[in-house]
Amino acid sequence: GQNIDQPTEMTATEGAIVQINCTYQTSGFNGLFWYQQHAGEAPTFLSYNVLDGLEEKGRFSSFLSRSKGYSYLLLKELQMKDSASYLCAVMDSNYQLIWGAGTKLIIKP
Amino acid sequence: TAGITQAPTSQILAAGRSMTLRCTQDMRHNAMYWYRQDLGLGLRLIHYSNTAGTTGKGEVPDGYSVSRANTDDFPLTLASAVPSQTSVYFCASSEQGANSPLHFGNGTRLTVT
Repeated sequence: GQNIDQPTEMTATEGAIVQINCTYQTSGFNGLFWYQQHAGEAPTFLSYNVLDGLEEKGRFSSFLSRSKGYSYLLLKELQMKDSASYLCAVMDSNYQLIWGAGTKLIIKP
Repeated sequence: TAGITQAPTSQILAAGRSMTLRCTQDMRHNAMYWYRQDLGLGLRLIHYSNTAGTTGKGEVPDGYSVSRANTDDFPLTLASAVPSQTSVYFCASSEQGANSPLHFGNGTRLTVT
């Protein structure tokens, strides 16, 4: 079966750095997405990786290793507004998105 | 502001009743999707439409139906609601292409009693 694994919850301190990991086992691979979802709101797109390596976008970076079935989202200079759930999703060989359950990130002052 | 509009925001529905969740987008995206989100689970695809006039079944289609009469609208109908359909429902759209991100509506919180 197809599976996406993410930690259920993480806690970090304002101003610090946090890394949210995502491992996947899917039927083929056509890209990996990260979304942010604040409580009670819709998911919003953060990043897309299809090739190995690091993609940097401001305070957020996303890394992909296709051989290891692994990605991480790196958040720097954490702000209170970064408290949210972070969803990892992989597009399989049929171009269907497989979603992880999400990682709830709690930022403490 | 361009985007996706869902209605209603929330609803309490008696088991056995029918209901249509509405979804409209003004971005002229060809692809549209309906997901449900339940605590502890990833988003699960109910139905999708790659273009107006076509629809397809997702991971959890039973008990739901959709139509796509035009590009903008993609309603989701529950013919006879059951308590297991209590969930938050998100409509989404995207441009064609594997790297196109999804744009989500604000969701409909449905409680079936």
